[in-house]
Amino acid sequence: QKEVEQNSGPLSVPEGAIASLNCTYSDRGSQSFFWYRQYSGKSPELIMFIYSNGDKEDGRFTAQLNKASQYVSLLIRDSQPSDSATYLCAVIVSGGYQKVTFGTGTKLQVIP
Amino acid sequence: NAGVTQTPKFRILKIGQSMTLQCTQDMNHNYMYWYRQDPGMGLKLIYYSVGAGITDKGEVPNGYNVSRSTTEDFPLRLELAAPSQTSVYFCASSYSRGRQGNYGYTFGSGTRLTVV
Repeated sequence: QKEVEQNSGPLSVPEGAIASLNCTYSDRGSQSFFWYRQYSGKSPELIMFIYSNGDKEDGRFTAQLNKASQYVSLLIRDSQPSDSATYLCAVIVSGGYQKVTFGTGTKLQVIP
Repeated sequence: NAGVTQTPKFRILKIGQSMTLQCTQDMNHNYMYWYRQDPGMGLKLIYYSVGAGITDKGEVPNGYNVSRSTTEDFPLRLELAAPSQTSVYFCASSYSRGRQGNYGYTFGSGTRLTVV
């Protein structure tokens, strides 16, 4: 089982819809969770981080964390074509120096 | 405030050649990292550093070496380049104060390396 799993997609949503991106992780001791956006040919950029169970909102983005079920999700409201990118989930697993493990990413396509 | 600066952006190496990828950050971050990203494979950690003078191996360190003499700089050395090292390399930095003190990475723009 991979430490951090994401559906590779592509996930296609119409403009204005809600895009829901999901990520599961295997280490129950995981502490910190991040979502990065990566445009094609560019470097990842941090969108949000979340540490506690529940929801965290930032503009059109909402991160949801459920530690009991070991998943974290990212909701994008009012999706725009400019949101089309690959979204990487990253998890700091327990122990050591804060080992960060990335998922392979979900490609999102927002259709105008 | 430039963030994380990587050079070069592109490079073609011949098998057996060596090179250094440069990485500099101006955010006074204590942690720095080198990742490689291959298509469909996600980001793999090569080496990391928790402060000047301290480095350690990540998941895929073979064929690479690092040093960190200052807080700002974290160069990655490729010795005896092989086709398997063809990849996109990202340097990143973060500020961490312990268990929940990592506020996420800032990535450099990447180096696209081809070994032929």
